[in-house]
Amino acid sequence: EIVMTQSPASLSLSPGEKATLSCRASQSVDSNLAWYQSKPGQPPRLLIYVTSTRATGVPARFSGSGSGTEFTLTISSLQSEDFAVYYCQQHYNWPWTFGQGTEVEIK
Amino acid sequence: EVQLLESGGGLVQPGGSLRLSCAASGFTFDITPMAWVRQAPGKGLEWVSVISGNTYVTLYADSVNGRFTISRDNSRNTVFLQMNNLRAEDTALYYCTKYLRRDVAVFDSWGQGALVTVSS
Repeated sequence: EIVMTQSPASLSLSPGEKATLSCRASQSVDSNLAWYQSKPGQPPRLLIYVTSTRATGVPARFSGSGSGTEFTLTISSLQSEDFAVYYCQQHYNWPWTFGQGTEVEIK
Repeated sequence: EVQLLESGGGLVQPGGSLRLSCAASGFTFDITPMAWVRQAPGKGLEWVSVISGNTYVTLYADSVNGRFTISRDNSRNTVFLQMNNLRAEDTALYYCTKYLRRDVAVFDSWGQGALVTVSS
């Protein structure tokens, strides 16, 4: 099983600031990495897949990069609706595994 | 518009059984792999099981293998999760999800979730 590790566990930022979230895989997942956004009381929302492809309707301020074992989700300028928990998921090898999440909170 | 509507959650004693259902609409159901992903209280996401569109392939997380069974009825656009021998650690919100595409195992649509509580 591929273990996904996210850092930091939490990030305290102000609206308008840039957020950089990291995700590391225990072995290479090539470019098969997705990101989800999770808010209380709502189901998770797919943001990005195959490292950098934005899902339908996802704003351009969300971008993904990386390959192999190291990946990054960048939110260029945080909006109020972006404060949430973000999960990475590898879709390279079954069983599909998620990271433990990074909480982006308002400073 | 894609809609996924779970039902069947509830409170069950350890060792008991529960069957979740998920009614789907808004996409071509019979060619789309469907999956269940769960989230324990205060915890992260855990993939549980997936079934291919033609039902030939089913996969399970080690944590539920041998106790849970996924199935689907393509005539009713519904996917099921039969959960037997439930344990306290199975307590979670269970989301019904669909694959983005048959060959891309990311979950692009989610239901609101069905809460399963295993407690005596």
